[in-house]
Amino acid sequence: DAMVIQNPRYQVTQFGKPVTLSCSQTLNHNVMYWYQQKSSQAPKLLFHYYDKDFNNEADTPDNFQSRRPNTSFCFLDIRSPGLGDAAMYLCATSRGQLNIQYFGAGTRLSVL
Amino acid sequence: GENVEQHPSTLSVQEGDSAVIKCTYSDSASNYFPWYKQELGKRPQLIIDIRSNVGEKKDQRIAVTLNKTAKHFSLHITETQPEDSAVYFCAASSISEKLTFGTGTRLTIIP
Repeated sequence: DAMVIQNPRYQVTQFGKPVTLSCSQTLNHNVMYWYQQKSSQAPKLLFHYYDKDFNNEADTPDNFQSRRPNTSFCFLDIRSPGLGDAAMYLCATSRGQLNIQYFGAGTRLSVL
Repeated sequence: GENVEQHPSTLSVQEGDSAVIKCTYSDSASNYFPWYKQELGKRPQLIIDIRSNVGEKKDQRIAVTLNKTAKHFSLHITETQPEDSAVYFCAASSISEKLTFGTGTRLTIIP
């Protein structure tokens, strides 16, 4: 059974049209992450929540925002998608520090 | 911050032979080192991990070794099979909930 669930699996949006990707988890993990992965590259951390504390990576563009309304759900908002934002977006969870990260299946975003 | 280098970027081995992928890290405080396997279009999946209080860990055909002095760790896959073909990522973490990933190795098993 999927423990980290991402919806949708595929998302097509238009240039500049806001889009929201969602992630939910049944593991009750306190840390949730959002990664961007482009073809043949390693996952790149955008930001993460440690409980309710939001931690943004220094090089994450302002165009990317996140919300975590409760322990189970986390959202990635892209305010004005550009062509360069087309990628796989991966959500992951872990139980605190130095623990295994469990990844969702990802949402593949296309920008037209 | 942490920097993880991974080599080689591509690796082809005959089925049944062994494969070795190597990673080095820069932060001596790092003490958790997972390896993820990612098949095409799928999620990264943890295959093995090691913590700094041990030097080697084995799980069936997969083993990881860690040399803290030299700041490098390696993944060893023995008796390779076609289903081992994938991209493998190493990662490192210090006293943090964040992972720093290597650049990945595309492993191809030749039948």
